[in-house]
Amino acid sequence: AQSVSQHNHHVILSEAASLELGCNYSYGGTVNLFWYVQYPGQHLQLLLKYFSGDPLVKGIKGFEAEFIKSKFSFNLRKPSVQWSDTAEYFCAVNAPGGGNKLTFGTGTQLKVEL
Amino acid sequence: DVKVTQSSRYLVKRTGEKVFLECVQDMDHENMFWYRQDPGLGLRLIYFSYDVKMKEKGDIPEGYSVSREKKERFSLILESASTNQTSMYLCASSSQGPRYEQYFGPGTRLTVT
Repeated sequence: AQSVSQHNHHVILSEAASLELGCNYSYGGTVNLFWYVQYPGQHLQLLLKYFSGDPLVKGIKGFEAEFIKSKFSFNLRKPSVQWSDTAEYFCAVNAPGGGNKLTFGTGTQLKVEL
Repeated sequence: DVKVTQSSRYLVKRTGEKVFLECVQDMDHENMFWYRQDPGLGLRLIYFSYDVKMKEKGDIPEGYSVSREKKERFSLILESASTNQTSMYLCASSSQGPRYEQYFGPGTRLTVT
């Protein structure tokens, strides 16, 4: 079955540490890729997205993600995390022929400690 | 700003009750979605609608139905609530086209006892 995998379920980092969250998908062909974030008590919101072109995309709050087609991956990175980055992060894929449907990964809970 | 609102933040219902969850968006979006969010399982699509009176099943439609009589409103119906439907329910909307992001509501935490 087509799927999106996030291998890190819980991540704990100290402030200023670097972050990389993995996301792999199993679809072939052209895909649209998204990272969403859910801060405690808030709505799910878009962090960044990739459709085509430069495989390194930048989003809000200093986040970036790299699309590596050969690895079916779209990993999220941030060079230096802050306490306010504590949140749950979801990778999502819009698969070929899926219309507007998104398939989400299981999420990664990030806790940043002071 | 896009606004997606859901009728209740918290809801407690008894097993067997019929439950209505309402979602309204104010951006004239064609697409609307209902997900459930469970720890360790992420978001799973229940139903979505790409136009008024049009609907399609998502990945976990069993036990649910939907209604979209007006473009701005999308309702999720639990015909006979069961304890395994205790969950966080999220509504989202988007413009037509796979490159448009989905905008989410605040969620309804439903507990079925």
